Amino acid sequence: SQQGEEDPQALSIQEGENATMNCSYKTSINNLQWYRQNSGRGLVHLILIRSNEREKHSGRLRVTLDTSKKSSSLLITASRAADTASYFCATDGKYGNKLVFGAGTILRVKS
Amino acid sequence: DTAVSQTPKYLVTQMGNDKSIKCEQNLGHDTMYWYKQDSKKFLKIMFSYNNKELIINETVPNRFSPKSPDKAHLNLHINSLELGDSAVYFCASSQDRVYSPLHFGNGTRLTVT
Repeated sequence: SQQGEEDPQALSIQEGENATMNCSYKTSINNLQWYRQNSGRGLVHLILIRSNEREKHSGRLRVTLDTSKKSSSLLITASRAADTASYFCATDGKYGNKLVFGAGTILRVKS
Repeated sequence: DTAVSQTPKYLVTQMGNDKSIKCEQNLGHDTMYWYKQDSKKFLKIMFSYNNKELIINETVPNRFSPKSPDKAHLNLHINSLELGDSAVYFCASSQDRVYSPLHFGNGTRLTVT
């Protein structure tokens, strides 16, 4: 069964705007990861945040984690057309022995 | 200098055939995986190997058989292909089992007609 669910399913914004995607999960975790998938390509790792961390930054990316609400958010600031992709959260599940992906958010950045 | 490479990129075949997908990683990782992505982009783990040992075997029909000749290679053989097997299959690797990021190949799009 799915562990994570992303919200919204699809997001369309103008270049330069910020994009926020949310992820909710069901069981306790050790870490949560965000990935990007461009059309026709494999997933690319963006950020890993551990369960004892609340916020993490990488360039224009900011990830927050709220373990009490079992949710995470990915913020992309000053978006570019090249950010157009699907974004997935993934958690290590109840037993911590495998990475389980959500259904993803499709982001479209219009130039 | 591709990190995780899988072949072929596209595979079109008829029902009932047997086919294989190959995967190789040059990252020196200990763990490799097969994931299946359906038409709705839902990604589900199928198998995981750690140092050639099978550690995860999800509820996958036994028509699917992974083989790891060494820790840099993980192949997927599928017998008696069915229409429902049509999907994109991704190979991935990681340094350890769960706590490090996964590195994905670019996928094999399997179409069963």
